[in-house]
Amino acid sequence: DAGVIQSPRHEVTEMGQEVTLRCKPISGHNSLFWYRQTMMRGLELLIYFNNNVPIDDSGMPEDRFSAKMPNASFSTLKIQPSEPRDSAVYFCASSLPRRPGQGTYNEQFFGPGTRLTVL
Amino acid sequence: KQEVTQIPAALSVPEGENLVLNCSFTDSAIYNLQWFRQDPGKGLTSLLLIQSSQREQTSGRLNASLDKSSGRSTLYIAASQPGDSATYLCAVRNSGYSTLTFGKGTMLLVSP
Repeated sequence: DAGVIQSPRHEVTEMGQEVTLRCKPISGHNSLFWYRQTMMRGLELLIYFNNNVPIDDSGMPEDRFSAKMPNASFSTLKIQPSEPRDSAVYFCASSLPRRPGQGTYNEQFFGPGTRLTVL
Repeated sequence: KQEVTQIPAALSVPEGENLVLNCSFTDSAIYNLQWFRQDPGKGLTSLLLIQSSQREQTSGRLNASLDKSSGRSTLYIAASQPGDSATYLCAVRNSGYSTLTFGKGTMLLVSP
């Protein structure tokens, strides 16, 4: 199993440009999470999907951020227009579905992250 | 709103020492708590998961404890090794939700 795949691994762009980050979850996982990590704020959940449907996007900082999951094997996080304060490492994670009656939530598996620098 | 705090922010120890990393959370109504390891430039790797009904979990040289009523967890690392050098993150999952709230982590350096 290749694990969660993210691309690109590094992205450097100029303020005002559109940035698209990509994620391929582990096959069979139906929950997908986007996180942002900075020195100041640590790791923060931006949005998560269950069965390709956004469940909670309260962590998305503002309208410049949008996320989609057109199918079970692909998700994107888009920033338009980008700003220097968006510079961070963006992680994608996925987990198995929680079965009815299952007492525990399943472990999240993280991708290697995309390091975004906005100049 | 749940807040998770990890102390210390950084820790440096010589090889072979036993050490304790601390995690505290403000809302004790948690579903479970996880400890993760993050290596530089890498994603997070789950180390231990403790359910709210449990008091501790062990994996090899790692032992995590949970005191839900006081809002605290500790990660004990026995006989530390240079390969243990990494950032350790604590995360809690609130009851009824599948999202995790993370602490900012403890950066551990184990010197040979």
